[in-house]
Amino acid sequence: GAGVSQSPRYKVAKRGQDVALRCDPISGHVSLFWYQQALGQGPEFLTYFQNEAQLDKSGLPSDRFFAERPEGSVSTLKIQRTQQEDSAVYLCASSLAFNQPQHFGDGTRLSIL
Amino acid sequence: GNSVTQMEGPVTLSEEAFLTINCTYTATGYPSLFWYVQYPGEGLQLLLKATKADDKGSNKGFEATYRKETTSFHLEKGSVQVSDSAVYFCAQAINTPLVFGKGTRLSVIA
Repeated sequence: GAGVSQSPRYKVAKRGQDVALRCDPISGHVSLFWYQQALGQGPEFLTYFQNEAQLDKSGLPSDRFFAERPEGSVSTLKIQRTQQEDSAVYLCASSLAFNQPQHFGDGTRLSIL
Repeated sequence: GNSVTQMEGPVTLSEEAFLTINCTYTATGYPSLFWYVQYPGEGLQLLLKATKADDKGSNKGFEATYRKETTSFHLEKGSVQVSDSAVYFCAQAINTPLVFGKGTRLSVIA
């Protein structure tokens, strides 16, 4: 497709389970970003890739959060031992370069029971 | 650190009313400024942007002017439509990923 694709759209998990969220960026986009959006809040930065290199992971809230982009295209955000406070919408965005406009996917709504 | 403050919602307007959503920022340097819109059930879409002082971004009848002296980037539209009902986010970026405000929910009533 032409836009950023995220899957699944919705994910429900029990506390303590591991989850993996996928992002397919726009073809040719070098930069890829993950954001976390809590209910009623603006998105907050988690991590950033340029091609396969993770250049900034300062926004990851704990070491339970891990992101990868091994071939510089698809990215996966993994959350281990999920907690209720991890419930949020996780947004992925891509751009041609770091300072170019970011294009967002529809997000994955994660609910931890 | 860098931050964005925007007016709290919700904002409820009648169709064809004038819209203003205030946004101010704090930054070390001169960021690029953005307005994003999030329609129900959808992801964020870039609405407009401005990259330097006095630039005016415009799209779909919306406008915002980069005011360095007041560190502001207020969003305006002269005549809103029901289809404009959404959440609007102001954001900034200066060699960093986007920093967003908390969002302002707009509801337009016919």
